[in-house]
Amino acid sequence: KAGVTQTPRYLIKTRGQQVTLSCSPISGHRSVSWYQQTPGQGLQFLFEYFSETQRNKGNFPGRFSGRQFSNSRSEMNVSTLELGDSALYLCASSGSETQYFGPGTRLLVL
Amino acid sequence: GIQVEQSPPDLILQEGANSTLRCNFSDSVNNLQWFHQNPWGQLINLFYIPSGTKQNGRLSATTVATERYSLLYISSSQTTDSGVYFCSKNPGAQKLVFGQGTRLTINP
Repeated sequence: KAGVTQTPRYLIKTRGQQVTLSCSPISGHRSVSWYQQTPGQGLQFLFEYFSETQRNKGNFPGRFSGRQFSNSRSEMNVSTLELGDSALYLCASSGSETQYFGPGTRLLVL
Repeated sequence: GIQVEQSPPDLILQEGANSTLRCNFSDSVNNLQWFHQNPWGQLINLFYIPSGTKQNGRLSATTVATERYSLLYISSSQTTDSGVYFCSKNPGAQKLVFGQGTRLTINP
């Protein structure tokens, strides 16, 4: 089976712009979760989608949003980018208890 | 909130040495996973181990759920074992809570 894929792998944006990241889960997995990793805060949960519905949300402002499509692919969007949004964004797919992570998208906000 | 504490924060060893990484939980141990983050940032699954002991080659893990901790053992370390090791628990709905990680450096 192919693993979790994320696009793009690297991204440079400027403050105030918006960005959309994409995640394709492992075939057959219906749950997709998103995490943000920064040196200061570590790995933090953003949100989780299952069958196109957001089931859980972390403690992030409304500028962070996501969605899931009928084929389980997911996108997350960050609007009005801030310098502090520079991070590694990881998505994970799950078919049961175990989560499998993609390679991540490195976002740099200038 | 749920606390996940990992120790030590940093560990530097010579190739061939053995190491033990620890993960403590403030709450019950649910759906515990160990990951290795490679230099490119990807989290690689090592073990799903809510209780008991598992082994995979030079790596093994033990979770003592009643005492709220888990241990990851790495034997005969290789330079490719370098990286950051994370433990996590899943309190529900695929919302993993991670520790701060142990940065392992294996010198040749």
